[in-house]
Order: sequence, then structure tokens, then C-alpha cells
Amino acid sequence: AQTIHQWPVAEIKAVGSPLSLGCTIKGKSSPNLYWYWQATGGTLQQLFYSITVGQVESVVQLNLSASRPKDDQFILSTEKLLLSHSGFYLCAWSLMDWGYEQYFGPGTRLTVL
Amino acid sequence: GDSVTQTEGPVTVSESESLIINCTYSATSIAYPNLFWYVRYPGEGLQLLLKVITAGQKGSSRGFEATYNKETTSFHLQKASVQESDSAVYYCALNSGGSNAKLTFGKGTKLSVKS
Repeated sequence: AQTIHQWPVAEIKAVGSPLSLGCTIKGKSSPNLYWYWQATGGTLQQLFYSITVGQVESVVQLNLSASRPKDDQFILSTEKLLLSHSGFYLCAWSLMDWGYEQYFGPGTRLTVL
Repeated sequence: GDSVTQTEGPVTVSESESLIINCTYSATSIAYPNLFWYVRYPGEGLQLLLKVITAGQKGSSRGFEATYNKETTSFHLQKASVQESDSAVYYCALNSGGSNAKLTFGKGTKLSVKS
């Protein structure tokens, strides 16, 4: 069975500090991977997607970057956090022949102070 | 761009009562997007509840149903008799495909079921 793990579970960080969030998918070969973000009281929106190792496309510009160093790993990062980065970050995977349904990890709660 | 509008919460219903959470969508890049309902139970991650990829079809899961109505561009979630365990946040979403297969979500509807 496939599993998706995100780390850390929660972070409290200072404005201007760096950030790295991770996601690992086990049990699926070459999945499509996605990062989503939900600000408090806001709507879930897609930030990045990746269909293969080493290739990441940005969907929304939020002064964040993403990388896919391995087939089963997706990293979200920034060198300088903003207050507006606070929220809930979700990693998801899909296989393109499954009607575009996506399966989500447990998420990371980020608070920027 | 694509958009999804759903019932604003919170919604409170008594156990064994019926439920409907409204969802309407607008898809600009494709005539018939794939439609989904996701659910987040307290303390858990976002889970796929049901999906329908063909207009006119009905999806069902855990006693919930939703019918893909292309005429009214709606995908309302219904349950005949709710239970306390159905308390959760429900999200309607659409996927227009494309290279990024972006899910466009509604704002979510928080449902509380009273015993």
C-alpha cells in the first residue's frame, strides 16, 4: 500500500528565517507530485507540481521554491520566510491514468511570527 | 480561471437528519471537468470521499452521494441520515486536467452533527 509522509508536523518560525518542508511517497513508482497551501481562512491552492525527478513547475508565485531530488521525495523551501507564508501545507500524489484524483499527506502547519 | 463555490459553514445538523452541502463550479478550460468531494475528519488528513468524471453520473461513498449535473454546473453532496462520526470539513473540488492537473477547491464546509 502506498503511504505519504510529511515532515515536520508543525513549525513555528521567525520572519526572515529559512524553511524546508519535506514529503515522501512510498509504494508508488514515478508519481506526479504536488504542493498545496491553505492560508488560515483561505482556500487550498496548488503551488507546485512535478511529473518527474528534477523537474518542478511553479503554479503560484509566493517566494517559495520546490525541488524533487528523488522519485519519491518532494521538498518545499525558502531562504526568507514572510508572515504571509503561514498556513497549512499539503503534499499530494497522483497517477495520471486515475482520473486526476490526488491523494494527500497529513500536512504541515506553519506559523511565521 | 476555474472556481468552486460551496455552502458556507459552519453547518450543524442533528443525528439521523438529512444533509445537503451545495457545490457549484465554473471551469474555463474544459467543458466537463472531473469533480470530487474530499473530507478532513478532526485530527486527520484530507481524504478523497468520492469522485465523478462523467457528466450525468452519480458517485457514492460511506452513505454520501453526489450527482454531476452539467446543466446546472453543480455537484451537491447529500446524505439521507447523518451520524456524529460524519462531523468534518467537506471540500468540493474540480480538476480540469492539463499538465499540472490542478485541483481547484471550494472553501470547505464545516459540518457538526449533534447527537
